[in-house]
Amino acid sequence: EPEVTQTPSHQVTQMGQEVILRCVPISNHLYFYWYRQILGQKVEFLVSFYNNEISEKSEIFDDQFSVERPDGSNFTLKIRSTKLEDSAMYFCASSRDNSYEQYFGPGTRLTVT
Amino acid sequence: DQQVKQNSPSLSVQEGRISILNCDYTNSMFDYFLWYKKYPAEGPTFLISISSIKDKNEDGRFTVFLNKSAKHLSLHIVPSQPGDSAVYFCAASKETSGSRLTFGEGTQLTVNP
Repeated sequence: EPEVTQTPSHQVTQMGQEVILRCVPISNHLYFYWYRQILGQKVEFLVSFYNNEISEKSEIFDDQFSVERPDGSNFTLKIRSTKLEDSAMYFCASSRDNSYEQYFGPGTRLTVT
Repeated sequence: DQQVKQNSPSLSVQEGRISILNCDYTNSMFDYFLWYKKYPAEGPTFLISISSIKDKNEDGRFTVFLNKSAKHLSLHIVPSQPGDSAVYFCAASKETSGSRLTFGEGTQLTVNP
């Protein structure tokens, strides 16, 4: 069964550094998403992406964040200058057109020190 | 953000019995609801969903009930199995492709042999 994959599984970075989290969505899916879950808190929506542009973003998704689909398979989340409060699990998800079920990857644990 | 709420952080049931997980929402714009299961160190796994035009959806051992007037949904698992032990998240969205999911806090289900 096709799955969403994410790399790396764990990323440790110093405050102020840039990080790029990578995702390979399910191949016939057209909508892509990033969510995050800070330890002990809810899973929160960050951004959705369709047809090579952002379709929706949350108030969390400020100028420090950007997303890109650099080729036909990868979907990336960049955090330009990481802060301590960016430490969280970051989940990528994808969905088909005309479907509301989103399928999640295993997550990347980002630790900012 | 209290738009989707799961009031029980944990639930413990005996193997073979019914597990009932509850979820409440406040936003009348939500018209599609989903349940996800999450094991430690994995991403959320889609389980079952329901549109607001229905009041029940069944898939094997899993049934979701929706009470729109009460803004309440529940997930029934019967019979419960030890492998069902996981965190269960309720999520809500608009019935539009690419809509964000809004998650509840999650309920830790433990099924005892």
